[in-house]
Amino acid sequence: EAQVTQNPRYLITVTGKKLTVTCSQNMNHEYMSWYRQDPGLGLRQIYYSMNVEVTDKGDVPEGYKVSRKEKRNFPLILESPSPNQTSLYFCASSPMFLDSTDTQYFGPGTRLTVL
Amino acid sequence: AQSVTQLGSHVSVSEGALVLLRCNYSSSVPPYLFWYVQYPNQGLQLLLKYTTGATLVKGINGFEAEFKKSETSFHLTKPSAHMSDAAEYFCAVSEGFQKLVFGTGTRLLVSP
Repeated sequence: EAQVTQNPRYLITVTGKKLTVTCSQNMNHEYMSWYRQDPGLGLRQIYYSMNVEVTDKGDVPEGYKVSRKEKRNFPLILESPSPNQTSLYFCASSPMFLDSTDTQYFGPGTRLTVL
Repeated sequence: AQSVTQLGSHVSVSEGALVLLRCNYSSSVPPYLFWYVQYPNQGLQLLLKYTTGATLVKGINGFEAEFKKSETSFHLTKPSAHMSDAAEYFCAVSEGFQKLVFGTGTRLLVSP
């Protein structure tokens, strides 16, 4: 089954304790992206990657890191989490086109609480 | 820069009534437009999308949307609401290169 998986689905942590949220897709998509969803703000892009070893900042990258060492995986790293990073996080993937946009497939989400 | 405005953070309808969720966009080039639905505790699922061609786009679950360039709108409609339609709906715009800009979402409430 074609899917995007995220782990963990729920996480409660404390300020300053490094954490990683994993994202994996089995559709051989070039493009992957991380979003955060906050009430009243919709989804905002954190980072994206157009292919292996190619990553770039989205609209709200502060406090986050990513890496893309393999095509299927795109982990989101919070080196020193803070309470304002409490949010619902989504990973998404899609085929990569240079002059159009294809459907993005979303993971189930990771609900993060930073105390 | 692209932007999306969804009018109404909450829309309430009765079962069987018309559903109308409004979306207006801003784009400097011909846009690609999307509607996604999010059911409780789930990720986003594509309802429908407009790229080029026919301006009336049909999606899953009986939803459709019409691209109106003159009004910069892409409103989502369904003739008859069902209880299972209760969810949050997001409109999104893209100018290509996979970059999606989302609206703030509209929560659809359906009462019996």
